[in-house]
Amino acid sequence: QVQLVQSGAEVKKPGASVKVSCKASGYTFTSYYMHWVRQAPGQGLEWMGIINPSGGSTSYAQKLQGRVTMTRDTSTSTVYMELSSLRSEDTAVYYCARVPTVTTGAYAFDIWGQGTMVTVSS
Amino acid sequence: EIVMTQSPATLSVSPGERATLSCRASQSVSSNLAWYQQKPGQAPRLLIYGASTRATGIPARFSGSGSGTEFTLTISSLQSEDFAVYYCQQYNNWPLTFGQGTKVEIK
Repeated sequence: QVQLVQSGAEVKKPGASVKVSCKASGYTFTSYYMHWVRQAPGQGLEWMGIINPSGGSTSYAQKLQGRVTMTRDTSTSTVYMELSSLRSEDTAVYYCARVPTVTTGAYAFDIWGQGTMVTVSS
Repeated sequence: EIVMTQSPATLSVSPGERATLSCRASQSVSSNLAWYQQKPGQAPRLLIYGASTRATGIPARFSGSGSGTEFTLTISSLQSEDFAVYYCQQYNNWPLTFGQGTKVEIK
């Protein structure tokens, strides 16, 4: 079945970097854009950015520009989200979610990963 | 950036009753509006897209309406499994943005 499986929880110190993976299965990897969305504890959802698994092009939320990098490995149908210079405000659950490439990339997310908790603490 | 405002923040409803959730956009998003349901410890689940189209497998008691800046999610007869937080999301403009959520709790 279609699923997105993310890597496990991470605990990082302020200033460090974290890299979260999202492995897709059950569909053609390059036929869907992948977005990343995060959710701080008890808070709402925040869009972080998008990657096109086909060519690797990306677009990021302005507030994260310079700190976030999204990449993909088509051989393993996996996308990665790396966030650097971590601060306490980055403590959140990070989700990957897909959108079909027949759209512009701006669309509803039909399948989500299970989420990865990233805790930033000294 | 388009700001999405949901109301109320919390809605207390008895099982079997109707629930009506609102979402307002700071500028027109046409019909490019989705609704998600999120239960504790789970990822959001897509309920509605295109403002009114139910996603695959979503029961008919969930319905969406509206266009432009005003949208509504209606749950016609609340079941026990419907108590959760609901988010709206606009995908008409970048960056994609979400409302702050409405929690539907048992009255």
